[in-house]
This record gives sequence, structure tokens and C-alpha cells, in this order.
Amino acid sequence: QTVVTQEPSLTVSPGGTVTLTCASNTGAVTSAYYPAWFQQKPGQAPRALIYSTSNKHSWTPARFSGSLLGGKAALTLSDVQPEDESDYYCVLYYGATWVFGGGTKLTVL
Amino acid sequence: QLQLQESGPGLVKPSETLSLTCSVSGGSISSHTYYWGWIRQPPGKGLEYIGFVSYSGGTYYSPSLKSRLTISVDSSKNQFTLSLISVTATDTALYYCGRLGSYLSEVDWGQGTLVTVSS
Repeated sequence: QTVVTQEPSLTVSPGGTVTLTCASNTGAVTSAYYPAWFQQKPGQAPRALIYSTSNKHSWTPARFSGSLLGGKAALTLSDVQPEDESDYYCVLYYGATWVFGGGTKLTVL
Repeated sequence: QLQLQESGPGLVKPSETLSLTCSVSGGSISSHTYYWGWIRQPPGKGLEYIGFVSYSGGTYYSPSLKSRLTISVDSSKNQFTLSLISVTATDTALYYCGRLGSYLSEVDWGQGTLVTVSS
């Protein structure tokens, strides 16, 4: 069974920088997994932030960036704002299906 | 502007079939550019991919749900449906319908509909 793993929770101070990661139990995550990232706030549908590792949607703030880091997909938030407090989900492509990670709850404190 | 709206029963009995419809407005479901399908989120838990289909007939189902799942497109009504058979309490979730571009280059979701599996 394919499992995608994210940090369950992270805390960052306003103005700081934080990196969320996304790992696969099948091995190193590469661009062939087309990593994508979503932000979800309570009571809302998930909002797409990043696709194909590092591409931003038109509405994605510049402080969000995607990359590959140490065999994982990564989402880096720079100059974190209070409104960035949210759940973040990565999703990876496995040929004929996608698998979501368990999500990271980001607290801005 | 594309709009997606889920509809269907909010309560389904165990062992029965969960059926949901997603009505599409502001865009054609007959487009070969997009994929149409569903994700879900159990209460208080994370997102789970269910499956998507292309208008041309390609299916991209979750392996864990594939044996119980059918997603079909009805171009005459500009809508698509989810059918999940033999449901149990673990199928209780908020179900979102969605439209995806290639490799998630575009993503649109409905507002979600809660389905509870209970007798």
C-alpha cells in the first residue's frame, strides 16, 4: 500500500520561514510524481497552491514555493503571515492514481 | 466561471450504495482537457483521493476503492456521478467533486456534501 507522509504539525513565528515535506514509502520523490500542494482552512474546500513540484497557480502568494529536497517534495513558506495558519496537504502521482499525504497542521505563533 | 455542485442523499445505510451527482455549469464536461471526479474527507481527518475519469473514458481510481467504485460522465446533462457500493461507516465523509487539469495544473472543487453511513 502506498503511503505519503507529512509532518503532522509544525509551528512557526510570524515573519519566519518553514518547510513542509512530503515523502513516499516507495522511495525518493522526484518530479515524475508531479508533487502538488493544497491549503485547507476550516469549513473550506482545499485550495491548490503548487503543481508539478514548483509551479504556482495565479493566486498563490509569492512567499510560497515548492521544490524537491532530500528525496522529498517540499513546500517552503517565507515571511509567514498569520493567515497562513492552516492545514496543508501534498499529493503525489503514482501512474494511474493520486495519493494524498496525511496533512500538516501549521500553527503561526 | 466554472461551478460544481454536489447533490445526493446525506444518509446511506450500511451495505447499500452511495450515489452522488456533480452538476457542472460554466464549462463543458465534454472537454478532453480535463478530468472529472471525487475526493473525500472523513470528519476531522485528512483528504482522500477517490478517483477521476476523462471524457474519453480513461479511469484513474484509488486502488483501495476500485472494487467498489464507478465514476461516470453524462454529457447530455453536463454532470458526472459517483457510485460506491457496499458502504460501511468508514465511508462517512465530506465528498467533494472536482475538475482537474493535467497533473493538477488546474483544480476546481465543489463546496462538498456530507454523507453519513448509518442505520
